[in-house]
Amino acid sequence: EIVMTQSPATLSVSPGERATLSCRASQSVSSNLAWYQQKPGQAPRLLIYGASTRATGIPARFSGSGSGTEFTLTISSLQSEDFAVYYCQQYNNWPPPTFGQGTKVEIK
Amino acid sequence: EVQLVESGGGLVQPGRSLRLSCAASGFTFDDYAMHWVRQAPGKGLEWVSGISWNSGSIGYADSVKGRFTISRDNAKNSLYLQMNSLRAEDTALYYCAKSPGIVGALIDYWGQGTLVTVSS
Repeated sequence: EIVMTQSPATLSVSPGERATLSCRASQSVSSNLAWYQQKPGQAPRLLIYGASTRATGIPARFSGSGSGTEFTLTISSLQSEDFAVYYCQQYNNWPPPTFGQGTKVEIK
Repeated sequence: EVQLVESGGGLVQPGRSLRLSCAASGFTFDDYAMHWVRQAPGKGLEWVSGISWNSGSIGYADSVKGRFTISRDNAKNSLYLQMNSLRAEDTALYYCAKSPGIVGALIDYWGQGTLVTVSS
């Protein structure tokens, strides 16, 4: 099973600032990496797939990069609606596809 | 509009069974793989099981293998999860989720979830 490790666990950012979230895989997942956003009381929402392709309707301030074992999600200028928990997921090797433990982006 | 509506959750005693259902609409159900993903209270996401478009490819997490069975009825646009020998650690919100392809584990849409509580 591929282990996904996200860092940091919590990121404190002021509105308008840039946020950088990291995700590391225990072995290569090529570019088969997705990012999801989850707000309290809501289901997750797909943000990025293929490591760098934005899903339908996702604003351009969200960008993804990386391949192999190291990945980054960048939110260029945080809006109030972006404060949430973010999960990475590898879907290269399954079963099982695996999720990271999540990064909570909170207001500084 | 894609809609996934889960049902069947509830309070159940350890060792008992429960069957979850997911009603899908807004897309051609038999064109896509489907999954169950769960989230224990205050915890992260855990993939539980997935099934390809024609049920030819099925997978389970080790934590549920031998106890849970995923199935689908393409004529009824429905996904199911039969959960047997339930344990306290199975307590979670169970999400029905859709993949953008006939196989694979990328998820593009999620339902709102149904809560399963295993307790005596």
